Amino acid sequence: KQEVTQIPAALSVPEGENLVLNCSFTDSAIYNLQWFRQDPGKGLTSLLLIQSSQREQTSGRLNASLDKSSGRSTLYIAASQPGDSATYLCAVRSGTYKYIFGTGTRLKVLA
Amino acid sequence: EAGVAQSPRYKIIEKRQSVAFWCNPISGHATLYWYQQILGQGPKLLIQFQNNGVVDDSQLPKDRFSAERLKGVDSTLKIQPAKLEDSAVYLCASSLMGGGTSYEQYFGPGTRLTVT
Repeated sequence: KQEVTQIPAALSVPEGENLVLNCSFTDSAIYNLQWFRQDPGKGLTSLLLIQSSQREQTSGRLNASLDKSSGRSTLYIAASQPGDSATYLCAVRSGTYKYIFGTGTRLKVLA
Repeated sequence: EAGVAQSPRYKIIEKRQSVAFWCNPISGHATLYWYQQILGQGPKLLIQFQNNGVVDDSQLPKDRFSAERLKGVDSTLKIQPAKLEDSAVYLCASSLMGGGTSYEQYFGPGTRLTVT
């Protein structure tokens, strides 16, 4: 049974800092991994989708990496801004085709 | 391109009452998902449709929850009767395809349900 863990659960950093969010999964046989952002009271916004054959994806200040063999993905945010404050969720699609979500990392970027 | 639409945005009901949520996916998206997100947790898949057929409903409490997707477009999720533990945000998402392919999910704004 696939389980997805995100560490840390919460993170507070000063503006301008580079930071890394972690996502771990127990079953390495995945189809893809997707990172989302969720603002309070809102739905989820897709940030990056990494196919199982890819090692990383980049979009602007965001870079996501995938290491299937170790069951890990990281989301790197460069030069953080107060507008980056949100909850970041990763979701893994594996054997049963459904997405399994982690519990998220609540990020606060201080001005 | 219009996003995933959901209504209502908020709903407050008493336990044992019934409630229904509506979702309109992105045009052309064959796969539709309903998730339940309890405060402080990640979304949990309740049911997944491919066109108007059910792909996965293993985590849907079928004694009280039901869902349908007529004509492979809009979908409704119903709870009858509601319990206190059903208080959550119900999220609808869609993707171009499903199954073993790897298309992105796009989410609607969600419906926040409070059961008193």
